[in-house]
Amino acid sequence: QKEVEQNSGPLSVPEGAIASLNCTYSDRVSQSFFWYRQYSGKSPELIMSIYSNGDKEDGRFTAQLNKASQYVSLLIRDSQPSDSATYLCAVRGYSGGGADGLTFGKGTHLIIQP
Amino acid sequence: EPEVTQTPSHQVTQMGQEVILRCVPISNHLYFYWYRQILGQKVEFLVSFYNNEISEKSEIFDDQFSVERPDGSNFTLKIRSTKLEDSAMYFCARGGGGRVTEAFFGQGTRLTVV
Repeated sequence: QKEVEQNSGPLSVPEGAIASLNCTYSDRVSQSFFWYRQYSGKSPELIMSIYSNGDKEDGRFTAQLNKASQYVSLLIRDSQPSDSATYLCAVRGYSGGGADGLTFGKGTHLIIQP
Repeated sequence: EPEVTQTPSHQVTQMGQEVILRCVPISNHLYFYWYRQILGQKVEFLVSFYNNEISEKSEIFDDQFSVERPDGSNFTLKIRSTKLEDSAMYFCARGGGGRVTEAFFGQGTRLTVV
């Protein structure tokens, strides 16, 4: 049974600070890792994908992957009130191919305090 | 602009009835998926559709569910003999363009079984 674990929060961060979101996964052979943002009542929106160990930066977002520790994280720099949402970690299975379904965590509720 | 368009946005049905949820891709892609999210719970993979065939399905996707691409364009998810616990948001997603392992979600259909 594949599991993706996230701290449900809420995680409260002052505006302008760095928000750090964490995720662990159980399936050691997982190949592809994703962060989605979900506003209340809306669909998940892809914000980052990462496939190799290390850091990947895109604007204010940095994804970090450590396959040995089975750990994925997302850093949001210069946090804005509009970043307040639930952040979902998702993992794709061992083949890494597009047909495999994603396994999602329950998400971390992030609140950016103005 | 949504990656896929889903109809209806909200469907209310009586327990035991059949429902058909629809997904219209904006452009041609090979990979399509159905996910569901019960209120307050994690996003769950149901089925993937590749090259007009079911590629992978989860344990949730039992005989109560079926998917079709009746006209070569639109996708449908049929739920037979609905139960109260089928109440959820149902999301259609498409596979990414250059990186086929990414999934981009439609706005979802809220299904309420009464």
